[in-house]
Amino acid sequence: NAGVMQNPRHLVRRRGQEARLRCSPMKGHSHVYWYRQLPEEGLKFMVYLQKENIIDESGMPKERFSAEFPKEGPSILRIQQVVRGDSAAYFCASSPPGQGQNQPQHFGDGTRLSIL
Amino acid sequence: KQEVTQIPAALSVPEGENLVLNCSFTDSAIYNLQWFRQDPGKGLTSLLLIQSSQREQTSGRLNASLDKSSGRSTLYIAASQPGDSATYLCAVRSSNSNSGYALNFGKGTSLLVTP
Repeated sequence: NAGVMQNPRHLVRRRGQEARLRCSPMKGHSHVYWYRQLPEEGLKFMVYLQKENIIDESGMPKERFSAEFPKEGPSILRIQQVVRGDSAAYFCASSPPGQGQNQPQHFGDGTRLSIL
Repeated sequence: KQEVTQIPAALSVPEGENLVLNCSFTDSAIYNLQWFRQDPGKGLTSLLLIQSSQREQTSGRLNASLDKSSGRSTLYIAASQPGDSATYLCAVRSSNSNSGYALNFGKGTSLLVTP
């Protein structure tokens, strides 16, 4: 499967635990985006990364949330001390290098995070 | 701040009908507009991407138009089929913002095509 791969597909955590969501971009893609879809809401941008760099994190909550895209391995979205309001579907998208604004974004199947 | 609105929120049509989904956006300074399909519990499938300099794009039974000056796009689906049932999302990439990278999404139109 050459598409964007996200895992796990479903993740259940108790309040106060940490959640780690992984995203492997499409082959050849070096730009990664994270979005969150809350129940009954549209998708909201969280963060945009290139390899080893956070380019735009304007949509990321200031506390408890962090993201990285290391030189090797998948991009990780990390949520510390989760709360019920973090329950949502988290989607990762990727696009190829060069003229990033003109390139389509390709999405993974998402991680459904449920907080007990 | 870019606001994207999709009308109608839900639509039910009999198989074989042609239909139009609407998307409007408040800021015409955009790089492009992208239409997606989302099936329940699934991710997003990109259908069409229209650059700001383009007026329309076609793929099979789908045709998307863009009128940047009026802040509108339509997705036309010809000869609808039950397999077209899904939520259709419109997303705009703004050029007049701190970041030209984020997609701004509408809440979608939920389409049901009945046999």
